[in-house]
Amino acid sequence: GQNIDQPTEMTATEGAIVQINCTYQTSGFNGLFWYQQHAGEAPTFLSYNVLDGLEEKGRFSSFLSRSKGYSYLLLKELQMKDSASYLCAVKGFNKFYFGSGTKLNVKP
Amino acid sequence: ETGVTQTPRHLVMGMTNKKSLKCEQHLGHNAMYWYKQSAKKPLELMFVYNFKEQTENNSVPSRFSPECPNSSHLFLHLHTLQPEDSALYLCASSPRSSVGTDTQYFGPGTRLTVL
Repeated sequence: GQNIDQPTEMTATEGAIVQINCTYQTSGFNGLFWYQQHAGEAPTFLSYNVLDGLEEKGRFSSFLSRSKGYSYLLLKELQMKDSASYLCAVKGFNKFYFGSGTKLNVKP
Repeated sequence: ETGVTQTPRHLVMGMTNKKSLKCEQHLGHNAMYWYKQSAKKPLELMFVYNFKEQTENNSVPSRFSPECPNSSHLFLHLHTLQPEDSALYLCASSPRSSVGTDTQYFGPGTRLTVL
């Protein structure tokens, strides 16, 4: 079966760095995606990894290790507006499998 | 309008009602999706359409009936729902569903409450 695991909730301080981990077991792999979802809003695309390594996009970076079935999303210089849920998703043969999401609370 | 839109944003219905959710994408995509999002659970894929043809039905009960008249519009017809069907229903689109690098763009969702 398909399995995507990520922590339920994390808390971090404004200005700090936080790492959100995701482990996966899926049939077929065509990439790993991270989405951000603010309460009551649509998920929005953050990053995509298909090869091993680190992808950097401003304050956000995402890492992938396909052999370990592992990814993380790194958020630097945290801001209050980064308080949201972060969804890890794996693209299988032709559909996405989502984790339950990690709710990130950023405190002053 | 840009992106993916959904109407209504909120819906309250009784178990004997019939209602429809509408999704429209203005991105020129060819694949559209319905997802169900319940509290503290992963997004559950319900249906996938590619070029108006249904390519995925993820064992969804027949009280949910999708319709895709063209690549830009997707409907979800609801009838005789149960209280456990209360959730956020998200529509998404992507250029194509079969290409790995194509990401999905989500609409704002319809918050459905079944009484």
